[in-house]
Amino acid sequence: QKEVEQNSGPLSVPEGAIASLNCTYSDRGSQSFFWYRQYSGKSPELIMSIYSNGDKEDGRFTAQLNKASQYVSLLIRDSQPSDSATYLCAVRGNNRLAFGKGNQVVVIP
Amino acid sequence: NAGVTQTPKFRILKIGQSMTLQCTQDMNHNYMYWYRQDPGMGLKLIYYSVGAGITDKGEVPNGYNVSRSTTEDFPLRLELAAPSQTSVYFCASSYSRQGRYQETQYFGPGTRLLVL
Repeated sequence: QKEVEQNSGPLSVPEGAIASLNCTYSDRGSQSFFWYRQYSGKSPELIMSIYSNGDKEDGRFTAQLNKASQYVSLLIRDSQPSDSATYLCAVRGNNRLAFGKGNQVVVIP
Repeated sequence: NAGVTQTPKFRILKIGQSMTLQCTQDMNHNYMYWYRQDPGMGLKLIYYSVGAGITDKGEVPNGYNVSRSTTEDFPLRLELAAPSQTSVYFCASSYSRQGRYQETQYFGPGTRLLVL
């Protein structure tokens, strides 16, 4: 089992809709969880971090964490064309982050 | 602050050549990392450092070497380049204190390497 799995294919959403991204992880002892956004040809940038079970909201982004199910999700409300990017889930282990392969989001105007 | 800078931005190597990818950060971060990203894939950790003079292997260290003589610099050395090392290489840094796991990694702009 991979450390961090993001299995969904490219996600196309109409402008103004909600984009939902999911991520599962294998290390039950993980404590820190992150979502990075990566535009094509650019480097990743952190958009959300979450450490406790439940929801964390920041603007149009909401991260959800369920440690019992080893599940992290990201919701993007009122999706904008500028949200078109690849979203990488990352889980902190021993001195390092393990990244999923990412989910591409395309927002259609 | 310039953040994390990487040079060169793009390089073509012939099989068997060697090169050093440079990485510098000006944020006084103690942790530094080297990742590679293949098309359509996530980031794979090559090496990391928790401070000057201390380095450790990540998931995919074979064919690479690193050193950390100063807090600011963390060069990545490729010896005997192979086509499998064609990738985009990202350097990152973060500040971590023992027992505190809230950290953000800041990434450099990347180096695109093509080995032919």
